[in-house]
Parts: sequence; structure tokens; C-alpha cells
Amino acid sequence: DQQVKQNSPSLSVQEGRISILNCDYTNSMFDYFLWYKKYPAEGPTFLISISSIKDKNEDGRFTVFLNKSAKHLSLHIVPSQPGDSAVYFCAASAGNTGFQKLVFGTGTRLLVSP
Amino acid sequence: DSGVTQTPKHLITATGQRVTLRCSPRSGDLSVYWYQQSLDQGLQFLIQYYNGEERAKGNILERFSAQQFPDLHSELNLSSLELGDSALYFCASSLQGSTDTQYFGPGTRLTVL
Repeated sequence: DQQVKQNSPSLSVQEGRISILNCDYTNSMFDYFLWYKKYPAEGPTFLISISSIKDKNEDGRFTVFLNKSAKHLSLHIVPSQPGDSAVYFCAASAGNTGFQKLVFGTGTRLLVSP
Repeated sequence: DSGVTQTPKHLITATGQRVTLRCSPRSGDLSVYWYQQSLDQGLQFLIQYYNGEERAKGNILERFSAQQFPDLHSELNLSSLELGDSALYFCASSLQGSTDTQYFGPGTRLTVL
């Protein structure tokens, strides 16, 4: 049962344009969402997060949007840079457990071409 | 560099064998998490320890076990290995738990032949 889904395995974008990565979840108990970026031969690196009490969180070029009614979140990268080329994982947790057990999606490979 | 170290980087072994993966968390972090990433899959949560005690369990097989030692490093033991256990195993650490950011190590790639 895939509780966190990233339906696009890959995305190609030109440098300078917007990259939009999508994520859907099924568990209504999830109240904390994160995006991680992963380069080859490295572990995932935390990028940005959002609590369910918000619908938007911004950090520089990265913005995460949360639509609770649709159980959907998206990561916007503007402007995209070649160094953003990586695999992006969406993750979710039910924070009321007191300890963060992350449920990850399968990832979207972003390729930003010059 | 996340500050989380994992050894070894690569491990090749045979079916039926037993291996131990090691993780040292970031300085000051009390929580350690283990994840498994099989080919083309997302990271699957295995188990979490907080200050030496098991706190949460995910899809961890009975053949697998883990522990966190007084110096807070953690070991993941995999026994009676099967071909399907071949995967990347990541360790992560966080300050405590709850919504603290998890910082991931570089992973150990296990190949079972």
C-alpha cells in the first residue's frame, strides 16, 4: 500500500524555467510533509518542509504547496538550475506519534538542461 | 556532508550469511533511523532508536535487528540473507524526534549473491 505517491518518475526542464514536482498521499493522519533531494552515491538531503497548518512554505528558489483537501503537495523550483538535477523524494509523517516515522514516495528524477 | 557516517560503503556477501551495518549519528543527535531502498523504490522505514531505546518499528523483517549503543552509534544486523535483501541501507539521525529534521548518511550498498 503506497501511502505517498510520486507518479512522475522523471521530469526534464530547461535552465531558468520552473520545475514542478508533484506528490499525492492517501493517509489523512499525515500532518507533516518534507522534500528531500538525492544525488547519486549520496544520502538524501533535506530541502524544505511544511506543516499541515500551512498551505505554502517558501525558502529561496523552493516553494512547497499543500492542498489538504486534495491530499496533494507540490514542490516548485524557480528558476531551475543544472545543479538541481537530482532525484527528489516527497515524505510524510503523522507527527502526533511524537516520533517522526517518515513515509517516502518513490522519487522523481529531475533533469535541468542548460 | 551531513555529519552522519555509515560503514562499510559497500558490502558483497552470499545468501545465508549475516552482516552488520554501522552508523554514527551527528554529534548531539539522540535519534537514529534505518531505511532500506531497493531498486527503483522509495526509502522504506525499518526502525528508530532514541537514546538507546527502540521507539518505532516499520517494515523490518524478523531476520533483521538493530540496536543503539550508549555512545549513540547504531548497528543494523541482517541475518540469513536472501537475494532480495540486496539494497541501499540508509541511516539517518535527528536531534530528538517529532518534527526534527532527519539527516541522512551516504548509505551502505549491500549486494547478496
